[in-house]
Amino acid sequence: ETGVTQTPRHLVMGMTNKKSLKCEQHLGHNAMYWYKQSAKKPLELMFVYSLEERVENNSVPSRFSPECPNSSHLFLHLHTLQPEDSALYLCASSQDLRPGRDYGYTFGSGTRLTVV
Amino acid sequence: QKEVEQNSGPLSVPEGAIASLNCTYSDRGSQSFFWYRQYSGKSPELIMSIYSNGDKEDGRFTAQLNKASQYVSLLIRDSQPSDSATYLCAVNREADTGRRALTFGSGTRLQVQP
Repeated sequence: ETGVTQTPRHLVMGMTNKKSLKCEQHLGHNAMYWYKQSAKKPLELMFVYSLEERVENNSVPSRFSPECPNSSHLFLHLHTLQPEDSALYLCASSQDLRPGRDYGYTFGSGTRLTVV
Repeated sequence: QKEVEQNSGPLSVPEGAIASLNCTYSDRGSQSFFWYRQYSGKSPELIMSIYSNGDKEDGRFTAQLNKASQYVSLLIRDSQPSDSATYLCAVNREADTGRRALTFGSGTRLQVQP
């Protein structure tokens, strides 16, 4: 496979459930990100990892827990979510976080999450 | 004030016309600017990046940057119905330990009428 792969594509979960989103990149990139996209709102940065180390947590509630076991894989563990957490969750990767150019992101297809 | 502002649209243009998409940003330290296209139900895909004042052309697309006015735009020449999508403007401030990732605007929805 190439690019950035996210699974599952769709997820419906109850507020008491625990689930995980998975992201895998095959680009040799060193940085990975989780973004949340809600209707009519800009993409919201959730977490940033560089070389498996979390470098930014953008004030995300603790019911979202990221994990980055290596530079190719990123998880988002979900528990006791609220209906307002329903959104498209996008994973992205980039070559690096160091100052430079052409570090555009490659996005995965996203996971459409519905909390009921 | 929003960090990155875009008119939500929809911007409607006839096929073959020039579509002009605009974006303003608040952080004067921003150094890298990107345009992404997002089709309905799909993830964003990078179409242009620009770092220096002036114009940058790539096929039918031209990105324009004016750092003094904190303004970046995207022109699409000979617009096609397949260009109908939401266009996201994103900015990145470098050499800042507090902000190392892209900040996105809400996007402008473009409709190209056949």
